[in-house]
Amino acid sequence: DIQMTQSSSSFSVSLGDRVTITCKASEDIYNRLAWYQQKPGNAPRILISGATSLEIGVPSRFSGSGSGKDYTLSITSLQTEDVATYYCQQYWSSPLTFGAGTKLELK
Amino acid sequence: QGQMQQSGAELVKPGASVKLSCKTSGFTFTSSYIHWLKQKPGQSLEWIAWIYAGTGGTGYNQKFTGKAQLTVDTSSSTAYMQFSSLTTEDSAIYYCARRGGYGNYIDYWGQGTTLTVSS
Repeated sequence: DIQMTQSSSSFSVSLGDRVTITCKASEDIYNRLAWYQQKPGNAPRILISGATSLEIGVPSRFSGSGSGKDYTLSITSLQTEDVATYYCQQYWSSPLTFGAGTKLELK
Repeated sequence: QGQMQQSGAELVKPGASVKLSCKTSGFTFTSSYIHWLKQKPGQSLEWIAWIYAGTGGTGYNQKFTGKAQLTVDTSSSTAYMQFSSLTTEDSAIYYCARRGGYGNYIDYWGQGTTLTVSS
């Protein structure tokens, strides 16, 4: 199984910050990488697929980058509604696997 | 806009089975792959399996083979997951979700069903 490692389980942020969340796969996943946002009590919401493609309705302050094993989700100018947990997911091979999540908390 | 409405919370005893449902609308069910995922409180997501609603073809995470069984009813655009030989480790929120257009990511999610296994 491909292991997905998100380097930080949580970190404290301030409104207006630029935030970068990283995700590393245990092998090359050829950009088959999705990012999700999850708020307490809710199902996850897709933000980005194909490592860089912003899903319809997702604010343009979110962006994805990376290739090979290493991927990044960036949020420019963090808003209150962005405080959530973010997960990466690989879909290069079965079983589909997720990172452990990165929780953003306001300072 | 696609929607996936899951059945209500379940409280079942260890050793029992349960069948969760996921009624879909707003997209062509028979052209869709439906995934099921598990999430324990405070933890990440775990993929269980997918089913292609058009043919009933399935793919399972080896960890859940023999534990989960996926079916569909195309007449009602509903997907089902039967979970058997339940233990307390199966207590979690279970989501049904739709495969995205260009790969096995998820674009629509159900609201989740909370399963509690307790004597």
